[in-house]
Amino acid sequence: DVKVTQSSRYLVKRTGEKVFLECVQDMDHENMFWYRQDPGLGLRLIYFSYDVKMKEKGDIPEGYSVSREKKERFSLILESASTNQTSMYLCASSFGRGGNYEQYFGPGTRLTVT
Amino acid sequence: QKEVEQNSGPLSVPEGAIASLNCTYSDRGSQSFFWYRQYSGKSPELIMFIYSNGDKEDGRFTAQLNKASQYVSLLIRDSQPSDSATYLCAVGNTGGFKTIFGAGTRLFVKA
Repeated sequence: DVKVTQSSRYLVKRTGEKVFLECVQDMDHENMFWYRQDPGLGLRLIYFSYDVKMKEKGDIPEGYSVSREKKERFSLILESASTNQTSMYLCASSFGRGGNYEQYFGPGTRLTVT
Repeated sequence: QKEVEQNSGPLSVPEGAIASLNCTYSDRGSQSFFWYRQYSGKSPELIMFIYSNGDKEDGRFTAQLNKASQYVSLLIRDSQPSDSATYLCAVGNTGGFKTIFGAGTRLFVKA
């Protein structure tokens, strides 16, 4: 079974703090994704990566950055957390390059910025 | 127009009935279509994927694809209360790396 893990299930941070969210997958998948999910807005893609050290902006990259130093690990960084970044953050991975492969999600991190 | 549209629901069906969930998409060149189930407070999990026109069955679930109408549906036979969840339709976009997700349909199965 594919396993995608995320570093925290719940996180509370203060405005202006730098926040790191980590994601690890154990199936040698090429693609990795970061989404945020908010009520009524569905899943919105923040960044994705199709290879080590490669990254591409998704639909809402502002205020975020990412790092992929190893194939199995994809980190999301909030440079200066703001209250409007309070959300559920979901990491996913998929085999093969492209959007035509099924994605496997981690358990999610519920981030609250106060 | 949203790229992937779903009725937000809630869709309420009695236990044992067939639940029918629908999704339309705008990119005519889309090639892959997925259904995910998401329980409240949990992350999405893949139920089915379909690539070709027609029906694909897996247990109580049937995915139906009509590319000419740009329409994909999920049927759940013999619905159970444990099927109560939000169902996300997702579409692999043409030539890109992204999968586009719909906002989801909430399903309630009444015991």
